[in-house]
Parts: sequence; C-alpha cells; structure tokens
Amino acid sequence: AQSVTQPDIHITVSEGASLELRCNYSYGATPYLFWYVQSPGQGLQLLLKYFSGDTLVQGIKGFEAEFKRSQSSFNLRKPSVHWSDAAEYFCAVGARYGGSQGNLIFGKGTKLSVKP
Amino acid sequence: NAGVMQNPRHLVRRRGQEARLRCSPMKGHSHVYWYRQLPEEGLKFMVYLQKENIIDESGMPKERFSAEFPKEGPSILRIQQVVRGDSAAYFCASSPGAPKNIQYFGAGTRLSVL
Repeated sequence: AQSVTQPDIHITVSEGASLELRCNYSYGATPYLFWYVQSPGQGLQLLLKYFSGDTLVQGIKGFEAEFKRSQSSFNLRKPSVHWSDAAEYFCAVGARYGGSQGNLIFGKGTKLSVKP
Repeated sequence: NAGVMQNPRHLVRRRGQEARLRCSPMKGHSHVYWYRQLPEEGLKFMVYLQKENIIDESGMPKERFSAEFPKEGPSILRIQQVVRGDSAAYFCASSPGAPKNIQYFGAGTRLSVL
C-alpha cells in the first residue's frame, strides 16, 4: 500500500538551531516527492520537490531535502531556524507521470514550534 | 498571476443543508484536485478532474458528495445533506498536468456543520 510516514508529530527547536524533519514513504516505484508548509488557517505552500537527478534539492526559505532511495526517505533540513518557520510541514508523494493516479499522498504532518 | 482561488473561505451549514465549494485553478492549469483535511490529519485525496471529466474519484464518499469542473467556470465540490462529520477543511489544488505533476494549493474552505 502507498503511504507516507512522518514519525514526529511535534518538534520544538530553538531559534537559530538546525532542523531535520523526517519522512519515509512506501510506494510501488520511485515517486515524485514534495514538502509543503502550512501556516495556521492557511493553504499549503510548496517548499521543494524532487523529480530526478541530484538527490539533494534546494527549496525556498533556506530549506533543503535529501532523497535516499535505499532508505525510502526524503528528510527536510534547515541549518538555522527562524521564528517565522513555526508551522506544520507535510511530506507528500505522487506518481511520476500523473495520469489517472495524479493525486498526492500526504503524511500526517509535523508541527514545528520555535523557541526564542 | 493569481494563484488557486477558493471560496468561500469559511462556510457554516446546519445539518441537512447543502454545501457548495468553489475552486478556480491557476491560469493555464486544466487539472484540479480536491482534498479534505480533518483535524490532526494530513490531506486525503477526494477527486481529480480535468475540464468536463472526472478522472479519479476513488477518494470520494459514495453518497452525498459530487464534483464537477465545467468547460467554463470554477470547479465545484458539492456536499448534499451535510452531517457533523463533514466538518473539515477542503483544499483544492491545480496542476498543469504531465509530465511533472506539480500541484499548487488554494487557501481552503473551512466547513463547519452545526
């Protein structure tokens, strides 16, 4: 069965500290991989995506993620967290070529709190 | 270049009423997806539409829910005879389609059923 697991429901980090949010997936083939961020009461904003090529991808707001095929993981990282990064983060996977399986499968999210 | 527009942002209905949620995709996008987000949950896929066609409705409840994406106008998610369990945030995403299925999301409609 296709699924996405984000093992950490809630993470608290201090401002300026580094951050890593974990994401593991189960999928029939190598999917497209995404990270989205959702601020309270808002929609989802695309942070970054992986389709192919370099397994370390850069996104907006200083985020990066690394695709590890052997571990079926796509962890999100940021070297220095800012208070404005407090939000909920969702990892998602999708079929490579859309078609009838165009929908994304989401993890349950990781809520990030930032301490001053 | 406007993003995905959803309206209304908040919708309150009493049990048994109908809810209509609208979604206008980004300019140039002909693929629309609807997702539902329950509290403390991630987004769950409901339906995937292209203009005038339902491509995949495997995530739609069998009764009371329907969706359309007419040739002209926004996509509509319709919930008939709402019940308390329908209270959730409903998000629409649009995509230009293959070969790279990048989905851009609207701000959502938060439905509350009294």
